[in-house]
Amino acid sequence: GAGVSQSPSNKVTEKGKDVELRCDPISGHTALYWYRQSLGQGLEFLIYFQGNSAPDKSGLPSDRFSAERTGGSVSTLTIQRTQQEDSAVYLCASSLNGEDNEQFFGPGTRLTVL
Amino acid sequence: GEDVEQSLFLSVREGDSSVINCTYTDSSSTYLYWYKQEPGAGLQLLTYIFSNMDMKQDQRLTVLLNKKDKHLSLRIADTQTGDSAIYFCAESGANGNTPLVFGKGTRLSVIA
Repeated sequence: GAGVSQSPSNKVTEKGKDVELRCDPISGHTALYWYRQSLGQGLEFLIYFQGNSAPDKSGLPSDRFSAERTGGSVSTLTIQRTQQEDSAVYLCASSLNGEDNEQFFGPGTRLTVL
Repeated sequence: GEDVEQSLFLSVREGDSSVINCTYTDSSSTYLYWYKQEPGAGLQLLTYIFSNMDMKQDQRLTVLLNKKDKHLSLRIADTQTGDSAIYFCAESGANGNTPLVFGKGTRLSVIA
């Protein structure tokens, strides 16, 4: 069966440009998470969607970051006016809404801002 | 706020046991997790333990939880070169389906 997929796998952009990163969760998973992994750092939570509830945006580092989840499935993370410090691997995960909260991770998008 | 700490590097010889340690701060965590990240790959859930358990064993993996000290460890028996990866400890909140809080990861190097 298909796991979590993300696109693109790599993205190189110039400082100041906007980027969109896409996540396709596992079908039927109601919860979707975005994390960021910077060099030498752990995973930093960004935003969390659960069903039809309002997303938990408490981890977004600035108002340049936003995310949507359309139809309870695909999610897009948008970074506006990218900065060099935005360079990181952006990981998406989904979970079934089970009590054990097993999160299945995608392969990530490596973003490089020049 | 919540915090998860783990040592950054561990080097072991092939065939030896590896022990990766982790401390966390949120006493209300329901589940604690170990994820493995191989080079260029996403995170793979290795195992998890419910907070009311002391130990969980799964083949070569043994997880020990000391809830009083908020200390979690992952023991890999008979470590193989294929075990070389970054291992992340993570804690959940008090309820299911909350974002996980991850440590910075321990890079395990297995020397043949």
